[in-house]
Order: sequence, then structure tokens, then C-alpha cells
Amino acid sequence: QSVLTQPPSVSAAPGQKVTISCSGSSSNIGNNYVSWYQHLPGTAPKLLIYDNNKRPSGIPDRFSGSKSGTSATLGITGLQTGDEADYYCGTWDSSLSAGVFGSGTKVTVL
Amino acid sequence: EVQLVESGGGLVQAGGSLRLSCAASGFPFSNYWMTWVRQGPGKGLEWLANIKQDGSEKFYVDSVKGRFTISRDNPRNSLYLQINSLRGEDTAVYYCAREGSGSYYPDYWGQGTLVTVSS
Repeated sequence: QSVLTQPPSVSAAPGQKVTISCSGSSSNIGNNYVSWYQHLPGTAPKLLIYDNNKRPSGIPDRFSGSKSGTSATLGITGLQTGDEADYYCGTWDSSLSAGVFGSGTKVTVL
Repeated sequence: EVQLVESGGGLVQAGGSLRLSCAASGFPFSNYWMTWVRQGPGKGLEWLANIKQDGSEKFYVDSVKGRFTISRDNPRNSLYLQINSLRGEDTAVYYCAREGSGSYYPDYWGQGTLVTVSS
């Protein structure tokens, strides 16, 4: 049972937009920065967004992040077949004194 | 280029022990917090533990406290995870990751090492 809740799956056609929600509480998202990761099985997870809405160098601006209260959202525009992967949100939980990840969302490009 | 290479995984009997290693290169290892994360078969990412630059602070997820020990050797640019009393649910790919500067977020990850626990 993950501390952060994400929808199990989202899908859209190539070129369309998807959003992935990440719901937490005041002890994690509410008072800490959120990051987002793309993960293909058998590979190293890749950081997409950090500090709620910042993109590391090399990450296209098709990926965006936002946070409001105890929830965060990852947006992917101009969906491409290469975007098919699992996506996770992550943050620090101040009550647990531990890092936490979301349950993961599988993105399917129709 | 930042590189993190895990090793030490394998097939282990339940109740046994294992020490995972992570060799870091391409950045000043002693300047960064480091983290271990795992992914069990068919499961999501699970944060396990992290360690401060000088090893003076360590944090663990409740489910592994007392069985897992994170440590580091800065002169060797290496991170370790000692796992004792292995259980079937410890079967997973174990990743080491570097934490970014400032707020908490793993920014670079290794490819992972597979640990399989047999009963």
C-alpha cells in the first residue's frame, strides 16, 4: 500500500495529452517538493521533474509538473510511442522520516 | 558522466544475508546523499534507505529497520546495503541512486541488481 496514490493507468492517442495525478497528505506532498520518474522495466528510472515543476537538462518541455495542496500532477503533451512506460511520483514524508513513491501509473499510447 | 553500477545480487536462501554494492563515478561522491530503492516483481518502486554525505545520518523505511543497513565508503566512492534475514518478499531489483542537491529527489539511478530469495 503506497503512501502516495496514483491512477493505475492512463492512455491517449499519439499527439494527445495525458495527466497523471499523485495524491498524498500534509506530511508528504503538502510540505515537501515532488519529483516524477519515468521507468521502463529493466532500465534505470529517469528523473523527469523535480521541485514540483523543474525539468532536468535534456528533458523536453512536453513534460510538466505542478502541485496544489496535497496533490501533484504530471502532464505529458504531444504523446509519443516512446512515452509508454510506468510513471512514479516521489517525495519525502516528514512524519515517516522516509522517502515515499506513488503506486505508479502505466501510460499507454493508443 | 554520472555512473552508478550495482553489484552483489543473486540467488539466496531465505534466512541468508547479502551485501549489495554500488560503485559511483563521474561526480564527487562524498558531496551527495545516496539512496537505495527496490522494485519487486509486478510491484512499484519502494524507497528503502538513504545516507548523508558523511554517513552521520541514515533513514530507513519501517519495513526494513533492523534487517537492512546502509553504509558508504567515500574514499572508495561506494555505497552498500547489507541485507540480513532475507525473506521471499525481499526478491526484487535493487537500485542505488544519487540524491539531487537541495530538496529530496533521486536524480541519477543505476541499472539495478536482482536479488532472488528462495525458500
